[in-house]
Amino acid sequence: TQLLEQSPQFLSIQEGENLTVYCNSSSVFSSLQWYRQEPGEGPVLLVTVVTGGEVKKLKRLTFQFGDARKDSSLHITAAQPGDTGLYLCAGGYTGNQFYFGTGTSLTVIP
Amino acid sequence: NAGVTQTPKFQVLKTGQSMTLQCAQDMNHNSMYWYRQDPGMGLRLIYYSASEGTTDKGEVPNGYNVSRLNKREFSLRLESAAPSQTSVYFCASSPRRTNEKLFFGSGTQLSVL
Repeated sequence: TQLLEQSPQFLSIQEGENLTVYCNSSSVFSSLQWYRQEPGEGPVLLVTVVTGGEVKKLKRLTFQFGDARKDSSLHITAAQPGDTGLYLCAGGYTGNQFYFGTGTSLTVIP
Repeated sequence: NAGVTQTPKFQVLKTGQSMTLQCAQDMNHNSMYWYRQDPGMGLRLIYYSASEGTTDKGEVPNGYNVSRLNKREFSLRLESAAPSQTSVYFCASSPRRTNEKLFFGSGTQLSVL
C-alpha cells in the first residue's frame, strides 16, 4: 500500500500550457517535499513545505501544502521543455523518515 | 565533490544468489536510506538509519538486510535474490534528524533472472 498517491501518473502537454500535479494521503506529515528526477539519475529536491496552508514559489513553480498537512499540489505556469521529468512528492515523519508518492511523469512538447 | 556514491551501477543475478549493494556518503550526514524504484510505484523505503548504530524497517523490508558500517557507509544485502527484487535501488542521505532534504546517489539497476 502506497502512503502517498499522485495524480495524474502521466502528463503530456504543449510548451506554454499550465498544469497541476496532486499529492494525496490519509496520513498527516511533518513536512512535504517535492523532487524532480531525470532519467538515470537520483531525485533532486525542489522544495520543502512544513506549515499547513503554506505556499512556496520557485520561479514558475508554485507549491502548496494542505491545511491539514495531508496533501500538496505543484502548479507549473507556462511549462517549458526543460520542465520534463518525473515529479515526486515525499512525506516526512518524525525521526527523519521519508515516504515517496507514486510519481508524475511530465513531458513538455516544444 | 562526490556526495553519495553507490556501487555497482548495474548487476544481473540469478534467482537465489546473494549480493550486497554498497553506499557511501562524504557529507558527514547522520541519516541514510535505501529505496527501490519500480514503474508506477515511485520510490519505496526499504530500510533507513536515522543515525550511526541504528537501523529501522521501512515500507518494504522483506528479503533485505542492512548494515550501517560507520557514519559514512550503509549497505543493503539480498540474501537470496528473487525476480520480484528486480528494480532500481537508490541510496540517500540527509544531514540532521527532521525535515532535511535527501541527497541521492545515481542508483543501481538490478535484474534478477
